[in-house]
Order: sequence, then structure tokens, then C-alpha cells
Amino acid sequence: QSVLTQPPSVSGAPGQRVTISCTGSSSNIGAGSDVHWYQQFPGAAPKLLIFTNINRPSGVPDRFSGSKSGTSASLAITGLQAEDEADYYCQSYDSSLSGSVFGGGTKVTVL
Amino acid sequence: QVQLVESGGGVVQPGRSLRLSCAASGFTFSAYGIHWVRQAPGKGLEWVAVIWYDGSNKYYADSVRGRFTISRDNSKNTLFLQMSSLRAEDTAVYYCARVLCPNCGLDVWGQGTTVTVSS
Repeated sequence: QSVLTQPPSVSGAPGQRVTISCTGSSSNIGAGSDVHWYQQFPGAAPKLLIFTNINRPSGVPDRFSGSKSGTSASLAITGLQAEDEADYYCQSYDSSLSGSVFGGGTKVTVL
Repeated sequence: QVQLVESGGGVVQPGRSLRLSCAASGFTFSAYGIHWVRQAPGKGLEWVAVIWYDGSNKYYADSVRGRFTISRDNSKNTLFLQMSSLRAEDTAVYYCARVLCPNCGLDVWGQGTTVTVSS
């Protein structure tokens, strides 16, 4: 049971928009902790996709966007492409645990 | 280039110990906190531990506290994870990843090292 809750899977056709939610609590996202998102392909290390809620590292396509409100955050992928098929994880800092927490991960499937 | 390289993984019997290393290059190691994150086979990411840039603070997940110890040698640009009393559920790929501040994202990850706890 992860501290941050994500849907196990989402899917969409090429070109569509999909969103992944990340629900936390008053000790992490709701306490003002920033949310970061990672993309992971099978057999590879995770890669930082969105940092500090809404920011994209250099090289990340602008079809990826992040948002945060209250105790939740979301990752949106617009103009879904076949190469976006991967696992996505949210991460934040939890003050009650004095450490980081991850969501359970969401598998994105491109139909 | 900026790089983290883990080593030290392997097969170990339950109850035994193992030490992982994470060698950093291409950046000022002493300016960054470093996390250990693991991923059990077919499972999601699990945060394990973090050590601040100067080693002054260390925090652990409940699942490893008292069994694992994180440390660093800034003179050698190397991070360590001493794992003891290993259990089957510690079987995972272990990644090290750097972070600029406690609330920041993990922006550089190593390729991971595999630990298998089995008799």
C-alpha cells in the first residue's frame, strides 16, 4: 500500500490526452511538499519527467505537464505517442516519515 | 558526464550482510544529497534511505530502519548502503539517485544493482 495513490493503469489512442492522478495526504502533498514525476521503461532506471509540480527538465517534450492542487497532483500527456508507453511514478516528501514516498506507479498503454 | 554507478549487488543468504556502493562522477558530489531507491521484481519504486550532502542527516524507510545504514565518503565521491539481517523481501534492484535539496526531485539515477536474498 503506497502512501501516494495512483491508478494502476491508463490507456489512450495515439494523439489523445491522458492524465494520471497522484493522491496524497496532509503530511505530504497537502502539507505543501512538491511533487515530482518519473518515467520508467522496462529494464531501465527511472528518469525525472516533471520536477517541483510543473517543471520539465531540459529535453522533456512539452506534451508532458504537471499540476498540483490540495492533496493531489496530476500528470497529463497530450498528443499521446507510442513511445510514451511506460510506467509513471509520482514522488513527494512526507514530513511524518521524514523521507520520500512514491506512488504505486501507473502503466500507460497506447492503444 | 554526470554519472552514478552502483555496484556490490549479488546473491546472499537470508540473515547475511551486503554492502552496496554508488560511485559519482561529473559533478560536485559533496553538494548533493543521495537517495537509495529499490524496486522488487515486477513491483513499483520504494524509497529506502537518504543522506544529506554533508552526511549530517540520514533518514530511512520503516522497512529497513535498524538493518540498513547509509553513509558517504565525499573525499572519494562514493555513497554506501550497508545492509544487514537481509530478508527475502529485500530482493530488488537498488538505485542511487542524487537530489539538490530535501524537497527536490531525483534528477540523476544510476543504472541499478541487483540484490537477491535467497537460501
